[in-house]
Amino acid sequence: GENVEQHPSTLSVQEGDSAVIKCTYSDSASNYFPWYKQELGKRPQLIIDIRSNVGEKKDQRIAVTLNKTAKHFSLHITETQPEDSAVYFCAADNQGGKLIFGQGTELSVKP
Amino acid sequence: ETGVTQTPRHLVMGMTNKKSLKCEQHLGHNAMYWYKQSAKKPLELMFVYSLEERVENNSVPSRFSPECPNSSHLFLHLHTLQPEDSALYLCASSQGTGTYEQYFGPGTRLTVT
Repeated sequence: GENVEQHPSTLSVQEGDSAVIKCTYSDSASNYFPWYKQELGKRPQLIIDIRSNVGEKKDQRIAVTLNKTAKHFSLHITETQPEDSAVYFCAADNQGGKLIFGQGTELSVKP
Repeated sequence: ETGVTQTPRHLVMGMTNKKSLKCEQHLGHNAMYWYKQSAKKPLELMFVYSLEERVENNSVPSRFSPECPNSSHLFLHLHTLQPEDSALYLCASSQGTGTYEQYFGPGTRLTVT
């Protein structure tokens, strides 16, 4: 079955710097790769997703890249702000319509 | 937010108790999910329902019993739990299974004593 590995587990950056979180997956049949943000004490919420027919997608300060050959995808946050501090989860779809989540990255943006 | 609601928000139960978690979605979705979120662990999928039929049981112990009476409601019945079952239990819904955004509820923080 699908296995999703996420790195790093924690990431600390200065406000204004960029942050990059990387994920690898094992199932070459996966086609959908969402990223969820979970602020402290709140529910996970989708922030961006990418499908296998594109290599990059951008939404303001957030971008996601996908390399299907290497089976990895990354989340890029530019000009980080304190409100970006949260746990970020990557995921990949699997047979049967499941989403397999990575272990999560706790991002801390220091003012 | 009122899209996906869960009750109760907090629950403390003994190992011999029986309790139920409730999830309700007001989004007109056809798929609903139960996830377990423990400290320092990824979101673990427990059950998936599509059009009220269970399509996934991810090797979950029988002390957890899901019920989906209609496409808007999902329950998780709990009995004879163990302390290691203490976690945040999240419900989610989506338009369908597969490549659809999942909308999460606020979760139920469960403590088993």
